[in-house]
Amino acid sequence: DIQMTQSPSSLSASVGDRVIIACRASQNIAQYLNWYQQKPGKPPKLLIFAASILHNGVPSRFSGAGSGTDFTLTISGLQSDDFASYFCQQSYTVPRTFGLGTKVDIK
Amino acid sequence: QVQLHESGPGLVRPSQTLSLTCTVSGVSVSTDGLFWSWIRQQPGKGLEWIGYIFYRGTTHYNPSLKDRVFMSLDMSKNQFSLNLSSVTVADTAVYYCATYDSTSSGWFDPWGPGTLVTVSS
Repeated sequence: DIQMTQSPSSLSASVGDRVIIACRASQNIAQYLNWYQQKPGKPPKLLIFAASILHNGVPSRFSGAGSGTDFTLTISGLQSDDFASYFCQQSYTVPRTFGLGTKVDIK
Repeated sequence: QVQLHESGPGLVRPSQTLSLTCTVSGVSVSTDGLFWSWIRQQPGKGLEWIGYIFYRGTTHYNPSLKDRVFMSLDMSKNQFSLNLSSVTVADTAVYYCATYDSTSSGWFDPWGPGTLVTVSS
């Protein structure tokens, strides 16, 4: 199985901050990497697919980058609606695997 | 607009079979390129892909669960189902159904709201 390692596991930030979340795959997954946002009691929502393509309706303050084994999700200008958990997921092969998540909370 | 919704018992006894159904609206489960998925999230933990089924009968299960998992699809009702046998307390989780769109690079979207299944005697 491909292991997905996210860092940090949690972070505290303020509105307006730039936040960067990292995700590392245990093997080369090209750009088969997706990012999801999850709020408490809700299902995950797709933010970014193919490492850098914003899903419909996702604000442009979100961006993704990377290929191979190392990826990042950047939130440029954190908004109050962005306090949530974020998960990466590889779509390179089965079994589909997720990172353990990064919780972004208010400083 | 595609919507999914899980249904099934919220409490299952240890050693019994967990059975859930996902009802799909807004798209046919026989649509090419779409795989019908189950994902779970144990309390306070990450997301675990259980597996998915394609309308032509193809299934892919997570090897960690494949000996206990069975998925099926009912095109007449536009539903798909999950059976997980011989459950233990470790199977307590929120279970989500989701669409896996394989028409491009592949992603899970949309997801159902999730249903909490507790395994307890």
